[in-house]
Amino acid sequence: IQLTQSPSLLSASVGDRVTLSCKGSQNINNYLAWYQQKLGEAPKLLIYNTNSLQTGIPSRFSGSGSGTDYTLTISSLQPEDVATYFCYQYNNGFTFGSGTKLEIK
Amino acid sequence: QVNLLQSGAALVKPGASVKLSCKASGYTFTDYYIHWVKQSHGKSLEWIGYINPNSGYTNYNEKFKSKATLTVDKSTNTAYMELSRLTSEDSATYYCTRRSEFGVEDYWGQGVMVTVSS
Repeated sequence: IQLTQSPSLLSASVGDRVTLSCKGSQNINNYLAWYQQKLGEAPKLLIYNTNSLQTGIPSRFSGSGSGTDYTLTISSLQPEDVATYFCYQYNNGFTFGSGTKLEIK
Repeated sequence: QVNLLQSGAALVKPGASVKLSCKASGYTFTDYYIHWVKQSHGKSLEWIGYINPNSGYTNYNEKFKSKATLTVDKSTNTAYMELSRLTSEDSATYYCTRRSEFGVEDYWGQGVMVTVSS
């Protein structure tokens, strides 16, 4: 299964509601996770099984979707959210998306 | 707390092999699969394979079947990945991860940079 993330680069202001997209080449059956990777760090799990928030992750992060289309939403963008975000499917094999780089405007 | 501690950066010559380690602590090592992931410089992530530390069963991405060998040492709670016949294409950061009960990688090692150069 291939994953296509859009946009590849997103610039937004602090406080904005931000939406990142991930589209699969086949049905992912909700086995979709989101990771945040800051510069020089390992990826951190934010969301698993489409919409389950990992322990310790702020509630401004949320996930949704079904079938082939999934979304990560940040309800109010904070400066510390600057990072690259990857989606990841584990329904059929294991595949990462190409990432969305999120910047502060 | 769960921790995956990886070995230090490696500089290796083309054609050589390298064995990376990942020492787990803070949980029962044999209860969770260990996965390995490659990240080429500034690029996305590729799943390499996983190992069941309890049984030693392995599953590889077809792309890495002849490149990577995964093993574990249960006595030291350590997972290993050996990369063989290294080329410049193998220069990357490699991560070990723990597969959670929800089927997703929840804890990651700090990553180890492998540089292949003569």
